[in-house]
Amino acid sequence: AQKITQTQPGMFVQEKEAVTLDCTYDTSDQSYGLFWYKQPSSGEMIFLIYQGSYDEQNATEGRYSLNFQKARKSANLVISASQLGDSAMYFCAMRVNTGGFKTIFGAGTRLFVKA
Amino acid sequence: EAGVAQSPRYKIIEKRQSVAFWCNPISGHATLYWYQQILGQGPKLLIQFQNNGVVDDSQLPKDRFSAERLKGVDSTLKIQPAKLEDSAVYLCASSPIRGAYSGANVLTFGAGSRLTVL
Repeated sequence: AQKITQTQPGMFVQEKEAVTLDCTYDTSDQSYGLFWYKQPSSGEMIFLIYQGSYDEQNATEGRYSLNFQKARKSANLVISASQLGDSAMYFCAMRVNTGGFKTIFGAGTRLFVKA
Repeated sequence: EAGVAQSPRYKIIEKRQSVAFWCNPISGHATLYWYQQILGQGPKLLIQFQNNGVVDDSQLPKDRFSAERLKGVDSTLKIQPAKLEDSAVYLCASSPIRGAYSGANVLTFGAGSRLTVL
C-alpha cells in the first residue's frame, strides 16, 4: 500500500531555532518523488521542496532541507532559523505510479512558531 | 504566469442540494486534480485528469460526485445530492507532465472552495 505517515499533529518552535518535521512513507515502487507543501491559514498549498528517490544528495531550498533516509523510508523536513511566518500546516507528499502517476498526502503537522 | 483559479471560494448549502465548483488550471498544464480536504486532514485525491481523459477516479463517490474536463482545459466538480460529510475544502491543482518523478512535476494549487453542508 502507498502511504504517507506524519506522526506529529502539532509542533512548537522558538523563533530563530531549527525544527524537524517527521515524515515516513511506504511504497513498493523503486522510483518515486517526495514533496513538502506548506498550507498557511489562508488555505493555499505552497510547494517547498522536492526529493527524487534516486537523488543521492539531500535537497535544499533556502531555509528548507529534506533529510532523506531511503533505507528507513523517511523524508523529514528541516526548517532552519524559524520565522513567525512559518506558522502553518505542513504536508509531506509522495508521487507514485499506481495505474497512473498520482500524488498522495499525509495528514499534516501544524507548526507554531513562538516569538 | 497566472495561477490556478477556483470558484466559488465559499458555498453554504443544505443537505440534498447540489453544488458545482469550477477550476481553471495553469495554461499548458496537462494534468488536473481535484482533492477533498476535510478539516484537520490531508488532501485526498478525488479525481485526476490528463488532458480531458480520466487517469484516476478510484476515490470519487460516483453515486453523488461527478467531474468533467471539457477540451482539456477547465474543469467542473459537481456534488448531487450533498451530504453533511461532504463539508470540506475542495482543492484543484494542476501540473505539467514533464518527468513523472522530477521536480518539474510539482502540483500548483488553487485557493480552494470551502463547502459547508447544513
